Amino acid sequence: EPEVTQTPSHQVTQMGQEVILRCVPISNHLYFYWYRQILGQKVEFLVSFYNNEISEKSEIFDDQFSVERPDGSNFTLKIRSTKLEDSAMYFCASRAEENTIYFGEGSWLTVV
Amino acid sequence: DAKTTQPPSMDCAEGRAANLPCNHSTISGNEYVYWYRQIHSQGPQYIIHGLKNNETNEMASLIITEDRKSSTLILPHATLRDTAVYYCIAAFTGNQFYFGTGTSLTVIP
Repeated sequence: EPEVTQTPSHQVTQMGQEVILRCVPISNHLYFYWYRQILGQKVEFLVSFYNNEISEKSEIFDDQFSVERPDGSNFTLKIRSTKLEDSAMYFCASRAEENTIYFGEGSWLTVV
Repeated sequence: DAKTTQPPSMDCAEGRAANLPCNHSTISGNEYVYWYRQIHSQGPQYIIHGLKNNETNEMASLIITEDRKSSTLILPHATLRDTAVYYCIAAFTGNQFYFGTGTSLTVIP
């Protein structure tokens, strides 16, 4: 069964550093998403991406964050100048034309 | 997207049916009801979705009331591996999903 894959599974970074989280969506999917989940809290929507541009973003997704689809297969989330409160599990997700969103297993980011 | 309300936690005996309720009294006519689950901080896993009719797949059944104001996810024979947080989401086609706090289901041996 096709799946969304994410790398790295776990990353530790120093406060102020930049991180890039990578995702390979399911191959025929056109809509891409990033969500995050702070430990013990809800899964929160960050951003959706379609046709090479952001289609919607939440209040969390400020200028510190950016997304990119650098080639035909990868979808990345960049966090500039990380803060302690950015420590969370980040989930990538994708969707075809039908309405089911499929999630990856997540990238656990720890900012120290 | 319509707000959904779920009980915070439930227990179910192994081998029994687990019936997880969800209230979505403000759902509009074109909003689907989706169910996902999350096992111990893994990625949310799609279970099932429906619009008006009851649905069944290899994982579960979804019963939607005629007025669509509530639904029930049924796991017919719960196993220990079904212990997870279950999320009910009401959303329009093509929209992103907003997760609530879900129902923490514990399957007891």
